[in-house]
Amino acid sequence: QVQLKESGPGLVQPSQTLSLTCTVSGLSLTSNSVSWIRQPPGKGLEWMGVIWSNGGTDYNSAIKSRLSISRDTSKSQVFLKMNSLQTEDTAMYFCARGEGGPPYWYFDFWGPGTMVTVSS
Amino acid sequence: DIQMTQSPPVLSASVGDRVTLSCKASQNINKNLDWYQQKHGEAPKLLIYYTNNLQTGIPSRFSGSGSGTDYTLTISSLQPEDVATYYCYQYNSGYTFGAGTKLELK
Repeated sequence: QVQLKESGPGLVQPSQTLSLTCTVSGLSLTSNSVSWIRQPPGKGLEWMGVIWSNGGTDYNSAIKSRLSISRDTSKSQVFLKMNSLQTEDTAMYFCARGEGGPPYWYFDFWGPGTMVTVSS
Repeated sequence: DIQMTQSPPVLSASVGDRVTLSCKASQNINKNLDWYQQKHGEAPKLLIYYTNNLQTGIPSRFSGSGSGTDYTLTISSLQPEDVATYYCYQYNSGYTFGAGTKLELK
């Protein structure tokens, strides 16, 4: 069955770079897209970016200058890197599979999330 | 960027009530909208895709409707397990979540 699981450092210092990994099983990254979505404590969801099945990427314009998403298809892993972290980047970070051909597009499988705290 | 406005922010209802949650887009999103349910401490869960398509395994008391800029999620008979926050999500132009509606039991 399809599973996704996020992993990361938990605590990051301000101005540093965040590196997260989403490890997937039950699906091929060359046939599926994976998005990153985050949620600050007590707040709503924010779509961050996507890596498509062809390896192309799209990013939220609000954080595009700080964000990079890549993958290693042989390891079934998707990576998020975001630089210049600030306290407002403290959030639960989720990866999710995007599914559906036009006009459908939805996130049908999600990881449990990994909490990232930005603090000195 | 398209803005998604959900109302009300908090809704209190009783078991068995018919509940309607609203999502309004800042421009026409051509029915390119999904609904997600998030229970406390869990990842979001897909309920409805492309405005009115029920995801596999989701109870039929959930339904979606709408067009243009105005969309609705309806729960026909509220159950205790439906207590959660509900988010709409548009993918017509960019990708944007609404701020959510928190559904509570009265």
